[in-house]
Amino acid sequence: EVQLVESGGVFVQPGGSLRLTCAASGFPFSTYWMSWVRQAPGKGLEWVAHIKEDGSQTYHVDSVKGRFTISRDNAKNSLYLQMNSLRAEDTAVYYCGRGGSKSGPDPWGQGTLVTVSS
Amino acid sequence: DVVMTQSPLSLPVTLGQPASISCRSSQSLVHSDGNTYLNWFQQRPGQSPRRLIYRVSNRDSGVPDRFSGSGSGTDFTLRISRVEAEDVGVYYCMQGTHWPTFGGGTKVEIK
Repeated sequence: EVQLVESGGVFVQPGGSLRLTCAASGFPFSTYWMSWVRQAPGKGLEWVAHIKEDGSQTYHVDSVKGRFTISRDNAKNSLYLQMNSLRAEDTAVYYCGRGGSKSGPDPWGQGTLVTVSS
Repeated sequence: DVVMTQSPLSLPVTLGQPASISCRSSQSLVHSDGNTYLNWFQQRPGQSPRRLIYRVSNRDSGVPDRFSGSGSGTDFTLRISRVEAEDVGVYYCMQGTHWPTFGGGTKVEIK
């Protein structure tokens, strides 16, 4: 069974840093693009970033460029999102998903909540 | 960015009746590779999103055949032939031809 389990979401002050982790199992992780999508409380979905199978190509939405970095460790079947210089508007549930930008993620993890507030 | 506009925002439906959600894009979604990357997701209350349809009309494994997708260019539709109670939730279209963007969502509820 394909499983994606996010962790690392916490309450953090503006300007702080956080690293989210997505642990993947049940499929050949190193052969799939992977993605992060977020959802602010009560709002819709926003694409954050995606990464190629071998990590050689990464893409980030403009609003997080220079602050967030997607990466992966295929030996550990893990996807990461390093989040720096966090802002209140980054408050959201962050979902990892198997797959890239063209056909969208399938499946999605259960999500991890990041709250940025003073 | 490509803007995805869904309608209606809210869709009250009677059990067993059909439902239809429209999704329009601000630019053509035909990719240079010839494919059209328009996908549909369902988010049930309290759950993560789940992909239902990819590339306009391809149903994902395990998705009931009462769900179907159609459309081309900039105009797309998700149809539910006979709504069941488990279909309650918010439905999002998403385009992946350009930088990926989602529609604002359509909330399906039972009358």
